[in-house]
Amino acid sequence: GQNIDQPTEMTATEGAIVQINCTYQTSGFNGLFWYQQHAGEAPTFLSYNVLDGLEEKGRFSSFLSRSKGYSYLLLKELQMKDSASYLCAVIDSNYQLIWGAGTKLIIKP
Amino acid sequence: GAVVSQHPSWVICKSGTSVKIECRSLDFQATTMFWYRQFPKQSLMLMATSNEGSKATYEQGVEKDKFLINHASLTLSTLTVTSAHPEDSSFYICSARELAGGLYEQFFGPGTRLTVL
Repeated sequence: GQNIDQPTEMTATEGAIVQINCTYQTSGFNGLFWYQQHAGEAPTFLSYNVLDGLEEKGRFSSFLSRSKGYSYLLLKELQMKDSASYLCAVIDSNYQLIWGAGTKLIIKP
Repeated sequence: GAVVSQHPSWVICKSGTSVKIECRSLDFQATTMFWYRQFPKQSLMLMATSNEGSKATYEQGVEKDKFLINHASLTLSTLTVTSAHPEDSSFYICSARELAGGLYEQFFGPGTRLTVL
């Protein structure tokens, strides 16, 4: 079966750095997304990785290793507004988007 | 990024009535749109994939006669919840996929919160 694993919940301190990991086992791979979702709102796009390596976009970076079936989202200089759920999703060989359950990130002052 | 709108934002209806939710891609053409449902504290669940001009593909366990999807144009898809019941109360989210520069991006609408009394 297809499976995406990410931690259920993480806690970090304002101003610090946090890394949210995602491992996947899917039938084929056509890219990996990271989305941010605040409570009661729709997800918003953060990043898309299809090649190995690190993609940096401001305070957020995303890393992919296809051989390991592994990605992480790195958030720097954490702000209170970063408190949200972070969803990892993989496009499989049929171009279907397979979702992880999401990681709830709690930021403390 | 591209914009996807959803209407209405929220709706309250009586049990047994039908509710239609619209999803529009405002500044791009979306050959594929997706409909998701999210119950409180749970992950997004894909309900169906809609391709313009053809029948939607429903995920296992989703009743196609209850959740009617129409994707009549490249910018509009509709989801109709027929004979809604309280257990259909949920957050419904649509998204549209754009292929740009050889890469897929998927953009989400703001969601529709349905409450069935």
